[in-house]
Amino acid sequence: DQQVKQNSPSLSVQEGRISILNCDYTNSMFDYFLWYKKYPAEGPTFLISISSIKDKNEDGRFTVFLNKSAKHLSLHIVPSQPGDSAVYFCAASAVQGAQKLVFGQGTRLTINP
Amino acid sequence: KAGVTQTPRYLIKTRGQQVTLSCSPISGHRSVSWYQQTPGQGLQFLFEYFSETQRNKGNFPGRFSGRQFSNSRSEMNVSTLELGDSALYLCASSRAGRAGEQYFGPGTRLTVT
Repeated sequence: DQQVKQNSPSLSVQEGRISILNCDYTNSMFDYFLWYKKYPAEGPTFLISISSIKDKNEDGRFTVFLNKSAKHLSLHIVPSQPGDSAVYFCAASAVQGAQKLVFGQGTRLTINP
Repeated sequence: KAGVTQTPRYLIKTRGQQVTLSCSPISGHRSVSWYQQTPGQGLQFLFEYFSETQRNKGNFPGRFSGRQFSNSRSEMNVSTLELGDSALYLCASSRAGRAGEQYFGPGTRLTVT
């Protein structure tokens, strides 16, 4: 039972353009969402998060959008840089057991020069 | 500030043996969570410890256990190893109150033969 889904295993984007990574969830108890980036041989690195009381959160080149009615969130990276090439995971948690993160399967983003 | 450290980084064990992995959280972080990452199942939550108490638990058999010490360092133990336990085991720490925003270590790669 995949409660958090990232349907695109991979994405290729030209340097300087926008990268859009998508994530869907099924559990309506989730109220906090996060994006992590992972390089090979390293643990995931926290990127950005959003609470369910918001629909947008921005941090530099990274913006996360949340559509609660569609149970969908997306991560926008503008402009995309070669160093952004990594695997991106979305994760979700509910208020109860907030440290228990449920992860998607990840999307491998490749930025082409 | 030093990041989350995990030891050992790599481990090879035989079926039936047991193994203990160690995690030192970021200074000041009192919550430590453990995750298992495999190609087929992705990142799955094992358990979380806070102030030496297990606060949350994932859906893993009782062969997987953990503990946390008074200095917040944590260990996880897997007894009677099975081939399917081969995985990357990740530890993450967070400050109390920062729901979900976890900082991961580089992981321990366990191979069971």
